[in-house]
Amino acid sequence: QVQLQESGPGLVKPSGTLSLTCAVSGGSITSSNWWSWVRQSPGKGLEWIGEIYHTGNTNYSPSLKSRVTMSVDKSKNQFFLKVRSVTAADTAVYFCARDQSGTGTSALDSWGQGTLVTVSS
Amino acid sequence: QSALTQPASVSGSPGQSITISCTGTSNNVGIYNLVSWYQHHPGKAPKLMIYEGTKRPSGVSDRFSASKSGNTASLTISGLQAEDEADYYCCSYAGGSTLLFGGGTKVTVL
Repeated sequence: QVQLQESGPGLVKPSGTLSLTCAVSGGSITSSNWWSWVRQSPGKGLEWIGEIYHTGNTNYSPSLKSRVTMSVDKSKNQFFLKVRSVTAADTAVYFCARDQSGTGTSALDSWGQGTLVTVSS
Repeated sequence: QSALTQPASVSGSPGQSITISCTGTSNNVGIYNLVSWYQHHPGKAPKLMIYEGTKRPSGVSDRFSASKSGNTASLTISGLQAEDEADYYCCSYAGGSTLLFGGGTKVTVL
């Protein structure tokens, strides 16, 4: 049973860069799955941020594409999220998840517990 | 892209059936059979309940079923139980290798 765990700073200053890590255990990040990031702003619904394959191929949400970068470290079985130029609107619980499909943008069948990131000075 | 439209809340008594709608457009829900549904108890990891429109992952109760008509997908929970009280989100492939979530529906068991 694959498990995912998010980690990273809980507080980021406005205009700074939000950086998160998702550690994958119980399975390999080089399996035939894509790996996603999803966020939930306070009192709001889920928002898909994007996904990455272990080859480094990525797909991003059009609304965040200009500020988001995802990467992967196969040796550590981890993948990463960076969001630049953050504002208070980026305050959210950030989840990492596994897409069950080898082609991506399908269904997310394993999720981390989420980590709260607050953007504030 | 605007979020898929879901009712803010749906409620029912134990044993009853409830249906949650998820309305999109002909660019997402209407054209692709790739709607998934997630159950989310706040503070916990979301759980996949339905994928590819109507399929249940192993371990998900058959009290959960889904369908689609035109641009609207629906999730039905039969035999409502207290443990079903949670937030539910639909999600659809939206073209261009992107996913789009709904705004979420809070299910209350009366």
